[in-house]
Order: sequence, then structure tokens, then C-alpha cells
Amino acid sequence: EVRLVQSGAEVKKPGESLKISCKDSGSTFTNSWVGWVRQMPGKGLEWMGMIYPGNSDTRYSPSFQGQVSMSGDKSISTVYLQWSSLTPTDTAMYFCARGDHAMDVWGQGTAVTVSS
Amino acid sequence: QSALTQPPSASGSPGQSVTISCTGTSSDVGGYNYVSWYQQHPGKAPKLLISEVSKRPSGVPDRFSGSKSGNTASLTVSGLQAEDEADYYCSSYGGRSNFKVFGTGTKVTVL
Repeated sequence: EVRLVQSGAEVKKPGESLKISCKDSGSTFTNSWVGWVRQMPGKGLEWMGMIYPGNSDTRYSPSFQGQVSMSGDKSISTVYLQWSSLTPTDTAMYFCARGDHAMDVWGQGTAVTVSS
Repeated sequence: QSALTQPPSASGSPGQSVTISCTGTSSDVGGYNYVSWYQQHPGKAPKLLISEVSKRPSGVPDRFSGSKSGNTASLTVSGLQAEDEADYYCSSYGGRSNFKVFGTGTKVTVL
């Protein structure tokens, strides 16, 4: 069974950097796109972008282009979502999920809180 | 690119059917057969229910069905059960400039 396991909850201050991870337990990453989805408190799902770990090709939503960066390390079946300077509006749950048009396997989510 | 439009809420009694609409444009829903639907229970990760407008992944009950007409896609839940009470989101391919867009979400209540 494929499982995506995300890193734990984070509490950060504005201006700090952060890198969260998503690890594939089934070693299917190299042959699938992996997307990131944001869910702000009490709000809906927002597609942020996706990465193809096999060659690190990335596609970003225009809303998130330049705000975050996605990377991957196929040798350890892990992808990352990174911020260089967090703001309170980055407070949200972040999900990784396998797939491009349809996201069929989801991680458990990583809660990020940004507060001074 | 704007989110796809869904009704904020829908409801039905156990055993009844409920249909949720997802309205986009010819640049997303109407232009491609890449509409998918997700179910999300409170505090949980979303779950894929439907892909490519009407395909059900293995393990998804056939009570869930999807369709599309023009720029509007629909999800129908037949034979409502208590465990169907959740938030439902559609998504669609939006073209090369914005690969994927989600709907605004619909909260389904089982009366």
C-alpha cells in the first residue's frame, strides 16, 4: 500500500524560513507527479503546484509562483515544500498528494502556524 | 484563475440522493475531461471519489457518480448514508497556464 508521510506540525515566526517534507513509502514517486495543496483554517482546498520527482520538473499555480519552492530527492523518495520568509497568511494545513489530474493518495497533512 | 463555483451546502435524508454542481468555464471544466471530485471529513485529508469526470477508483462505492454538461460538472451521491456527511470539492485541469483549480467546496449534511 502506498502511503505518503508528511513531516510534523511547525510553529514559526514571521520572516523565518521553513521546509516541510512528504515521503513516499511505496517508492512510486519517480513515476508520478506529486502535488501540494493548501487549506487555510476553515477554508477550501487550493492547488499550489506539483513536482515530478523523477526529473524535478515543477509546475506552479500562478497564485503561488514565487511564493514557495518545490524540490525533491528521489533517492529517498521525498519531496519538499519550502518558504524563504514566512508571513502570518501562510498559516494553514498543507497536504501532499500523488497524481496530476487526479490526486489518489494523500499525505496526512502538515499544520504550519506563523505567529509572532 | 478563479476557483470553480460550487453551492456552499446541500442536504438530504438517509436513502435520498443529492447532486452537487461545479461550474467553471470553457477554459477548464468545459474544455477538458479532467474533472475530479474529493470528499473531506473534518480534520482528515481529502479522498479521491471520481476522476476524469465519471471514473470511480477502486474501493469507492457506486453510490458516487459523476457527469459533465458544458461548463458544469456534477457529483451525485445516491442512497445517502450518515458517513457521507462531509465537504466535497471538485477540481479541473485549467490548461497549461494554471494546471489545476479546485472548486469552492460544498458541505453535505445528512438530515
